[in-house]
Amino acid sequence: DTEVTQTPKHLVMGMTNKKSLKCEQHMGHRAMYWYKQKAKKPPELMFVYSYEKLSINESVPSRFSPECPNSSLLNLHLHALQPEDSALYLCASSQERGQQNNEQFFGPGTRLTVL
Amino acid sequence: AQSVTQLGSHVSVSEGALVLLRCNYSSSVPPYLFWYVQYPNQGLQLLLKYTSAATLVKGINGFEAEFKKSETSFHLTKPSAHMSDAAEYFCAVSNSGGYQKVTFGTGTKLQVIP
Repeated sequence: DTEVTQTPKHLVMGMTNKKSLKCEQHMGHRAMYWYKQKAKKPPELMFVYSYEKLSINESVPSRFSPECPNSSLLNLHLHALQPEDSALYLCASSQERGQQNNEQFFGPGTRLTVL
Repeated sequence: AQSVTQLGSHVSVSEGALVLLRCNYSSSVPPYLFWYVQYPNQGLQLLLKYTSAATLVKGINGFEAEFKKSETSFHLTKPSAHMSDAAEYFCAVSNSGGYQKVTFGTGTKLQVIP
């Protein structure tokens, strides 16, 4: 299995809602990533987990809360988002955090719209 | 800090023509370079990567890239464009620190004209 899956594919939420994005991989990768991608822009790194521990937080607002329950799962909890948070949220994984030449495998993304 | 610059946000080629997407990097140490492709409303897929083993790197779907240190370039090429190649292409560099942080270029949208 060389796939990263993300659910849901689409999500529409109000500014007072609480929702979660889910990411799963079964490749045995120990590094997992959340990216945010606005239209016509490259992905921007949000968080990096290594061996289920948060190792990088790219100064992301606290209304985004990541969680890594186990080595295969990565969640992104959303609360009190703003319309400008509307974007494609991509999850990725790689074999080892410290290996610069390891490629990242990306999921198809969750298209989030905040009303 | 390492970075990549992609020249040309849009490139149009005719079907069957040569594809050339440009990427220049900036790095004080030997870089790890990647090309990813993104089709509409999808995630990114790795086309190829440079890891210093060989300067000419062959990837999937007939793409290849040549690492040229003297020109600090890692341009992506394909001899003959196919309609299915229409997509967004990102050049990326991985940092040399103790963790992997990938920095993406701004992307080049490839249009293939029938």
